[in-house]
Amino acid sequence: DTGVSQNPRHKITKRGQNVTFRCDPISEHNRLYWYRQTLGQGPEFLTYFQNEAQLEKSRLLSDRFSAERPKGSFSTLEIQRTEQGDSAMYLCASSPFSDNSPLHFGNGTRLTVT
Amino acid sequence: AQSVTQLGSHVSVSEGALVLLRCNYSSSVPPYLFWYVQYPNQGLQLLLKYTTGATLVKGINGFEAEFKKSETSFHLTKPSAHMSDAAEYFCAVSGVGEQGAQKLVFGQGTRLTINP
Repeated sequence: DTGVSQNPRHKITKRGQNVTFRCDPISEHNRLYWYRQTLGQGPEFLTYFQNEAQLEKSRLLSDRFSAERPKGSFSTLEIQRTEQGDSAMYLCASSPFSDNSPLHFGNGTRLTVT
Repeated sequence: AQSVTQLGSHVSVSEGALVLLRCNYSSSVPPYLFWYVQYPNQGLQLLLKYTTGATLVKGINGFEAEFKKSETSFHLTKPSAHMSDAAEYFCAVSGVGEQGAQKLVFGQGTRLTINP
């Protein structure tokens, strides 16, 4: 178990630029989640994949956000035309296909939009 | 809809003292409840969880929590604090979303400081 891996750890970008983050879940986990955590707050659910299918999206996920998991393994989260309000920690988590399984979180990607 | 309230954004205790972090939840269905710990610039690590069965659950690092349905609470305790316990603690409630997805709803967190 090598854990959930996220890259990059930190990203600084200028407003209006596009950014993409990558998440590699634990290999045998077929469920993958993205959460966003702003300073001083708990994480908020963004979206969920089961294998390659994106099954649920939060209303927090505006049209500028898109997530993919093309082969049911790694996932990418892209933000287009970044805004300062997008500055946050983006956390990825994975779990096996079991209702009681806890989520295993990665160390996150911290995005700063200047 | 589900929600979590953590009472006290900051808690400070002396090393060796009792740690008590409070969590109250709201859920329209039988809840799954979790406590996670977050160290600076890191992701969240699961401390313990309650799903069904015994209401007193034991976790890692000497932590435990008791599910009290009548009080809608899931407070986290540790008998004797250690300097390494200093971190941010999050209580979360899980509802089952589409296809069994666990959508965690987190509280705002409690920062625990340990005084030597």
